[in-house]
Amino acid sequence: GQNIDQPTEMTATEGAIVQINCTYQTSGFNGLFWYQQHAGEAPTFLSYNVLDGLEEKGRFSSFLSRSKGYSYLLLKELQMKDSASYLCAVRENNAGNMLTFGGGTRLMVKP
Amino acid sequence: DVKVTQSSRYLVKRTGEKVFLECVQDMDHENMFWYRQDPGLGLRLIYFSYDVKMKEKGDIPEGYSVSREKKERFSLILESASTNQTSMYLCASSLLGRRETQYFGPGTRLLVL
Repeated sequence: GQNIDQPTEMTATEGAIVQINCTYQTSGFNGLFWYQQHAGEAPTFLSYNVLDGLEEKGRFSSFLSRSKGYSYLLLKELQMKDSASYLCAVRENNAGNMLTFGGGTRLMVKP
Repeated sequence: DVKVTQSSRYLVKRTGEKVFLECVQDMDHENMFWYRQDPGLGLRLIYFSYDVKMKEKGDIPEGYSVSREKKERFSLILESASTNQTSMYLCASSLLGRRETQYFGPGTRLLVL
């Protein structure tokens, strides 16, 4: 089984940088996904990490440390439209394409 | 673009009714999933399917069943709806590869009275 933890809520200011952390415990790690979900909408894919290190995609970056069971999502130059929930999801070995999701972090961006 | 559609955005049913939630994807994906999403609990997997007529239980299958008669369609069935099944239901699909992300439908918000 898995245990995935992320903060429930965060607040940040427009133009700033925010880091959303995710810690996980798993018997056989095989990849970590980040999704963005605006209120009332479907989750959409942001990033995927399977090796240690940083993956950068424009204003968004995701970091993984497998030895620490830790990932973060970094959002730079925050915009009001970044207000959303951010979901961390982990895949285990031998789980096919199944993902286990954390509870999500609701980010509020203020002017 | 991948498109995953769900039959209803909002649904109101009475306790004891049989409820069908339909999901269709148009990208020839092998895998399909049904989740429910509740405040504070995140997304929880109910069932998934990796091929036609194949199904596997997820973390919370009790009170639900599924049907996959065609590759593009995955149905979630509540045999006898109960109030604790009031939730947001999300369908997703993906290709088979381990790097492949899941694509989600818009969700069905179900209220059981």
